[in-house]
Amino acid sequence: EAGVVQSPRYKIIEKKQPVAFWCNPISGHNTLYWYLQNLGQGPELLIRYENEEAVDDSQLPKDRFSAERLKGVDSTLKIQPAELGDSAVYLCASRGREGDTQYFGPGTRLTVL
Amino acid sequence: SQQGEEDPQALSIQEGENATMNCSYKTSINNLQWYRQNSGRGLVHLILIRSNEREKHSGRLRVTLDTSKKSSSLLITASRAADTASYFCATGSGNTGKLIFGQGTTLQVKP
Repeated sequence: EAGVVQSPRYKIIEKKQPVAFWCNPISGHNTLYWYLQNLGQGPELLIRYENEEAVDDSQLPKDRFSAERLKGVDSTLKIQPAELGDSAVYLCASRGREGDTQYFGPGTRLTVL
Repeated sequence: SQQGEEDPQALSIQEGENATMNCSYKTSINNLQWYRQNSGRGLVHLILIRSNEREKHSGRLRVTLDTSKKSSSLLITASRAADTASYFCATGSGNTGKLIFGQGTTLQVKP
């Protein structure tokens, strides 16, 4: 069974540029999460989807961040415009209907110069 | 915001020794999970313990949970160099599947 797929793995951009991250969850997993992980810290939830509905986006900075999961499968997280402080690892995770375990992708490491 | 505090922040041991990491949290929970993260990689689920359980084992891992003290510990026995990683506890509450992670313990196992 394929795990959670994320791309790109690394991204370097200039500040004020837009950037997008893509995630494909494990097949059949209806819950999808985007996390932000700063260096030396644990992941912090940005947004949670149940199928195509964003049910918890309270931690998403909506002035510059947006996300979508149009068909309830893969998802895109966008930052526009990026700021220096956005440099971090962006992790995607998914969870099936049964159980509480989340399965994480390898993450996208973003560097904003 | 992060729920838990992990202790120690960093731990260095010799191969074959046991490693113990502790996690404290603030609010009531349904379950507590431990994840491992190798450098530059995603998180890998290790073990889940529910709020009505006190101890759980998986291979060389032993997790305890004390809900009265709002704390948990992860013991790795007979450590190996491959156990070198960061370890995070995460608490789950309600039925949303939402997890709140601690700041992690960085474990180095020297061969």
